[in-house]
Amino acid sequence: DQQVKQNSPSLSVQEGRISILNCDYTNSMFDYFLWYKKYPAEGPTFLISISSIKDKNEDGRFTVFLNKSAKHLSLHIVPSQPGDSAVYFCAASAPFGNEKLTFGTGTRLTIIP
Amino acid sequence: DTGVSQDPRHKITKRGQNVTFRCDPISEHNRLYWYRQTLGQGPEFLTYFQNEAQLEKSRLLSDRFSAERPKGSFSTLEIQRTEQGDSAMYLCASSNAVRQGDSGANVLTFGAGSRLTVL
Repeated sequence: DQQVKQNSPSLSVQEGRISILNCDYTNSMFDYFLWYKKYPAEGPTFLISISSIKDKNEDGRFTVFLNKSAKHLSLHIVPSQPGDSAVYFCAASAPFGNEKLTFGTGTRLTIIP
Repeated sequence: DTGVSQDPRHKITKRGQNVTFRCDPISEHNRLYWYRQTLGQGPEFLTYFQNEAQLEKSRLLSDRFSAERPKGSFSTLEIQRTEQGDSAMYLCASSNAVRQGDSGANVLTFGAGSRLTVL
């Protein structure tokens, strides 16, 4: 039962352009959503998060959008830089009492110089 | 603080052998998580501790798997009688009970992982 889905295994974007990574979820109990970035041979590192009571959260070049009615979120990176090349995971958690994060399968982003 | 440390980084073993992984979390974090990641998949939850109490275990954690956090600090994950299907990256993460992140999310800090290969 894949509660968090990332349907695009890979994405290539030219340097300087916008990268858009998508994520869908099925569990309406999820109340927080997070994006993690992973380089080879390293653990995932936290990037940005959003509460289900918001529809947008911005941090520098990274913006996450949440469409609760569609159970869809997206991560926008603008402008894209070569160092952004990595695997990006979407994750979600449910309210207190169930603290684990449920991850999607990831999208490999490649920034083309 | 050097973050979350995992040891060993790589382990190659023969089927049927036992292996043990160790995780040292960020010192002020009281929650510790174990995840497993296989090729092409995202991290899958195995178990988590609040201090020394193991509060949740996934059905992925068969009887051959056992995790401990005896003093509420470091944790060990032991796999007995390893099988080839156990080959994966085992990730440890920690967090504190206070919700963090800009939105108040439970932000987990991950270690670099311990890669297990079962021959």
